Parts: sequence; C-alpha cells; structure tokens
Amino acid sequence: DAGITQSPRHKVTETGTPVTLRCHQTENHRYMYWYRQDPGHGLRLIHYSYGVKDTDKGEVSDGYSVSRSKTEDFLLTLESATSSQTSVYFCAISPLEDREQFFGPGTRLTVL
Amino acid sequence: AQKITQTQPGMFVQEKEAVTLDCTYDTSDPSYGLFWYKQPSSGEMIFLIYQGSYDQQNATEGRYSLNFQKARKSANLVISASQLGDSAMYFCAMREGITGGGNKLTFGTGTQLKVEL
Repeated sequence: DAGITQSPRHKVTETGTPVTLRCHQTENHRYMYWYRQDPGHGLRLIHYSYGVKDTDKGEVSDGYSVSRSKTEDFLLTLESATSSQTSVYFCAISPLEDREQFFGPGTRLTVL
Repeated sequence: AQKITQTQPGMFVQEKEAVTLDCTYDTSDPSYGLFWYKQPSSGEMIFLIYQGSYDQQNATEGRYSLNFQKARKSANLVISASQLGDSAMYFCAMREGITGGGNKLTFGTGTQLKVEL
C-alpha cells in the first residue's frame, strides 16, 4: 500500500473557525491532490500540486487554500469553515502525471 | 454535461457470477485515461484498473477487466466470479489530455454493488 496518512481522521468544528487538514506521504511522489466526497457527487477535486510550491485549483476550490512546502506534505486549509464544507476529504498521490492515483484513508469533517 | 455517467446506482449479483458495471464518458480530447476505483464500506478508495485512450487492447487485472468501446465512449467494468468481498461502491473516473496540468480526475457518482449468496 502507498504510504499516505491523513490527519486528523475525524474533526468536528464550528462555523467560522479555521481548519487545516494534513496529508503526508512517504512515497516521494511528485503529484498530490485533495478531493472531497459528498453523497450524489462522487469525488470532486479541490486543489492539486505538481511539485513543491506548485499548486493549482480544481473543480471546487472556493473556500479552500493549499500549501506544499515539502514533497511529503500537502496541507488543505479552510480559512473560515462553513456547513457546506462538511464532507469526507481524501488526499491522493501519484508518481506519474497520467496514471493511477493512490488515496489516503480520508478525513471526516463536520462543521456545525 | 456530465463527463462521467454511471447510470446504475445499485446492482445485485449472485456469488460466482459475472457482473458488468456501466460507465460512459464525454470528452473531445483524443488523449485521455479511464480508471475504476472500489470503495468498500470501510471508506478507503482502492484503485482497480486503468485504460488509456490509445491502448489497443482492453485492460485486465485479475478478475477485473475493462470493456473499452471507444466509438461508444463507454468503459464498463467487468468483474468475473463475484465474491462477497466485492460488495462495495465502484467509481469510474476520467483524466483528460494534456501534460503539465496534473492528473485531474473527474469521477462518476458511483454504483453500489451487492454480492449475494
């Protein structure tokens, strides 16, 4: 299994508070991704990174920011959490640009 | 328009039977990739199989095969000899074209498969 961890695995927070989710990999893969999963929508890409300090927006990036200062870590930040950001968040990594991605275990975030 | 369509929200199959999960896609890009993932009730996303748009043969991985019909824009997953452990949600996903843009996947809404005795 690809070495991907996500922290925290579960979090409950209140509307308006900042939240940071961490994705850590031990595979030295270049590409990293953040998705959210909601019922009826499958997985949707939030942001992705194609190298240290290189990031770009995905399909549902509003309200989210990311940072990647090291190859192994990709952080997702909700500057001011809203109830619509209640979701399961998955991090994924891939060594190649055009092949399969390997997913972390997910983080369940609840915004009250 | 939906880029990935999975029209079967739920399916049942008898153990040891084969089952086909449907996936159609929409792209005008000549270079693309198609993926299938499995998500058991425990929640993790497991990669199953990949098909590139230029691949001449259908992809196979053990009991999984991808029935790729390019002209019809379909990429159905076939699971042979179903097992109880195959009960899960299955997602079809697509990557479109171009290098330099990362491997951005678009997912379908999934098909819930239940394998029965």
